[in-house]
Amino acid sequence: AQSVTQLDSQVPVFEEAPVELRCNYSSSVSVYLFWYVQYPNQGLQLLLKYLSGSTLVKGINGFEAEFNKSQTSFHLRKPSVHISDTAEYFCAVTLNDYKLSFGAGTTVTVRA
Amino acid sequence: DTEVTQTPKHLVMGMTNKKSLKCEQHMGHRAMYWYKQKAKKPPELMFVYSYEKLSINESVPSRFSPECPNSSLLNLHLHALQPEDSALYLCASSQQQGDYGYTFGSGTRLTVV
Repeated sequence: AQSVTQLDSQVPVFEEAPVELRCNYSSSVSVYLFWYVQYPNQGLQLLLKYLSGSTLVKGINGFEAEFNKSQTSFHLRKPSVHISDTAEYFCAVTLNDYKLSFGAGTTVTVRA
Repeated sequence: DTEVTQTPKHLVMGMTNKKSLKCEQHMGHRAMYWYKQKAKKPPELMFVYSYEKLSINESVPSRFSPECPNSSLLNLHLHALQPEDSALYLCASSQQQGDYGYTFGSGTRLTVV
């Protein structure tokens, strides 16, 4: 079985400050890892994904994530956030099949 | 075209109504998905179509009936829904089932009254 835990349900942050969203997964086998963003009243947009190779993954909109196998983590970071980064962020994992397992989500609120 | 288009964006229906949600993509993707998302919750998988055939039904009640008329279209037919079925219904597609480049639509916000 696999599961995803997002350790922070809400993250308030000031504009131009850095942000880190934490994600841990549990699986005894190799997994594929994803971060999605959902803006208000929108669908989900893929920010980045880790399938294999370099453990530091760069995504869209200045986001990056680091896969840490020993700590079973895949934390998302951005060095300087904008007001437009206010959104819901979902970490997700999958094994060698179609099914994404999503974390509960982290609400990021960027304040001026 | 790199989008998944869902219509309508909003739908209000009574418990005795029959309605349909539509999803369309022109990216040549051969796998399409329906997800249900309740407020403040992550999406939950409902159905998977692969090469126009139903591949996965995640034990969804029969009042939800999916249909894939061709490789670009995915419908979700609704009948005799309950108020607890009110949610955001998301469609997604990918190159093939098991491919991880999912593209999501903006969703249909469904309210059952």
